[in-house]
Amino acid sequence: DAKTTQPPSMDCAEGRAANLPCNHSTISGNEYVYWYRQIHSQGPQYIIHGLKNNETNEMASLIITEDRKSSTLILPHATLRDTAVYYCIVRVGVGGGSNYKLTFGKGTLLTVNP
Amino acid sequence: EPEVTQTPSHQVTQMGQEVILRCVPISNHLYFYWYRQILGQKVEFLVSFYNNEISEKSEIFDDQFSVERPDGSNFTLKIRSTKLEDSAMYFCASSRQGTGNSPLHFGNGTRLTVT
Repeated sequence: DAKTTQPPSMDCAEGRAANLPCNHSTISGNEYVYWYRQIHSQGPQYIIHGLKNNETNEMASLIITEDRKSSTLILPHATLRDTAVYYCIVRVGVGGGSNYKLTFGKGTLLTVNP
Repeated sequence: EPEVTQTPSHQVTQMGQEVILRCVPISNHLYFYWYRQILGQKVEFLVSFYNNEISEKSEIFDDQFSVERPDGSNFTLKIRSTKLEDSAMYFCASSRQGTGNSPLHFGNGTRLTVT
């Protein structure tokens, strides 16, 4: 799987948008970009994923650059409960011959401040 | 919303003892996974399971580990003879399909403490 690079930490003010960047310059055409988060020592929580197009759901938006070498996760109105470690993961889509496991890195610790 | 449930939330055992960690995946999911996270470290893949067989396993998943789907709802991880270094959070996950377009959904884990 392609490697991702994320800043180790970020801060955001409560009520403002949190924009979390991720670089994945070696991503292949059949690889998806996934975002998960982990609050304290709870299980990783699925947020969103995409292949080429921008995606939006009730939790967040995912913006993928046209060359697919980087992406941004946007939490539109961050709350204190969004404080967590956010993981950007590249995952093979098809043709991998495996069970398409997720490989976690160190992620970005997002701290939402009052 | 359907979720993956894990029991117990915390398990304390003595070194050398066997432990079984239990998981109930989301009901219509077909692919199952175990991950672990040692305190302060990354979430690490252990094993994936489909159609009553192991699909993939990591180097961590050695002979002391085994997985089983004993019935239509449970998925278990057994550690035969626990070591101090097995102390970690163990997360179960499931996905509907085995493709990269099918998200994994995780439980909230079992904290295993080996003394």
